[in-house]
Amino acid sequence: NAGVTQTPKFQVLKTGQSMTLQCAQDMNHEYMSWYRQDPGMGLRLIHYSVGAGITDQGEVPNGYNVSRSTTEDFPLRLLSAAPSQTSVYFCASRYIVRTGSYEQYFGPGTRLTVT
Amino acid sequence: GQNIDQPTEMTATEGAIVQINCTYQTSGFNGLFWYQQHAGEAPTFLSYNVLDGLEEKGRFSSFLSRSKGYSYLLLKELQMKDSASYLCAVRRNQAGTALIFGKGTTLSVSS
Repeated sequence: NAGVTQTPKFQVLKTGQSMTLQCAQDMNHEYMSWYRQDPGMGLRLIHYSVGAGITDQGEVPNGYNVSRSTTEDFPLRLLSAAPSQTSVYFCASRYIVRTGSYEQYFGPGTRLTVT
Repeated sequence: GQNIDQPTEMTATEGAIVQINCTYQTSGFNGLFWYQQHAGEAPTFLSYNVLDGLEEKGRFSSFLSRSKGYSYLLLKELQMKDSASYLCAVRRNQAGTALIFGKGTTLSVSS
């Protein structure tokens, strides 16, 4: 199993550009989520999904869109990049209900800089 | 609102024992998690508590008191490689919600 994979690992954007951060998992997890991590702020939830076709907003959703067309993939779209979106982005996944399995797995992260 | 508090920084020496505290106030509770995160890397799972008491796993132990909204992570026989950030996170219910994270505690272990 590859676990949770994210691409790209690094990205530099100019203000106003759009892009998609990719996330995929091969563990058949129902639940997937996106976090951003900024110095002194901890991990903050952007969007999450409990299954294909179902998404919802987290704490800091503005400026981001998501979709979940398959169980495996959960891309995060930046519509018009702003310097405030400079951050490290982590994708995570887990089973929703499975006896003895409660761990949330994180991808390696995407380091995004918006100039 | 949701609030999870933990100290920002702690220091300790090799071979010592350190306790990292976490207090939480959340609407609903379905488990408390501890994650370790080395600089520049993703968080990795350390422990999970859903019932009161102590869970031991090698050099690491985690304690939970639901009535007090309190948990701690105990690290014994500290090693240099334990220098990392330790993240406390709460899950409010079983399905449909993400983990809410504290801001993390950066632990520095010196020789």
